[in-house]
Amino acid sequence: DGGITQSPKYLFRKEGQNVTLSCEQNLNHDAMYWYRQDPGQGLRLIYYSQIVNDFQKGDIAEGYSVSREKKESFPLTVTSAQKNPTAFYLCASSTITGGDGYTFGSGTRLTVV
Amino acid sequence: GQQLNQSPQSMFIQEGEDVSMNCTSSSIFNTWLWYKQDPGEGPVLLIALYKAGELTSNGRLTAQFGITRKDSFLNISASIPSDVGIYFCAGQLDFYNQGGKLIFGQGTELSVKP
Repeated sequence: DGGITQSPKYLFRKEGQNVTLSCEQNLNHDAMYWYRQDPGQGLRLIYYSQIVNDFQKGDIAEGYSVSREKKESFPLTVTSAQKNPTAFYLCASSTITGGDGYTFGSGTRLTVV
Repeated sequence: GQQLNQSPQSMFIQEGEDVSMNCTSSSIFNTWLWYKQDPGEGPVLLIALYKAGELTSNGRLTAQFGITRKDSFLNISASIPSDVGIYFCAGQLDFYNQGGKLIFGQGTELSVKP
């Protein structure tokens, strides 16, 4: 079955370390997205990519970086420059027009200690 | 940027009660979508609305795309404990002029007491 996979589900890191969150989809979707969710908050867009080797900053890109070397993969790196990295991170994908909405992964909960 | 105002922010209801939530915006959207997020999981699409005035049902869920294209509501009838979660509305911007991005509401957290 086609879907979108995020790994790991839970991640613990020490303050000051970079960490990379994985997102893979086999839906043949062109567009992929990263969102951050804090308790009681909505979804805030970090980065998105509509085509391989191209991506754009979302509303809260500072302290994050991404790459899109393959259509299926859109990893997110949380760098040490991100001041409050502890959050729930959601990856999503869609067709290029987004006409059927986004398909979300099951999320990665990052805790920085 | 564009914003969606989703209300209420949270609801505490008794099992069997009906639920209603809505989203409004100052922007016009081509598509409205409603998602449900179970605790610790990603949002899952419940209903998609493509036409102004459209009323769509999915089991106990009913959603409508407002005539002005600036609002939408979701009703859940006869709530059950597994309805617990966060419900998000999302409006889709025009693809050709604005890239087709989704703008999400802040979410409505639903708690159902058995």
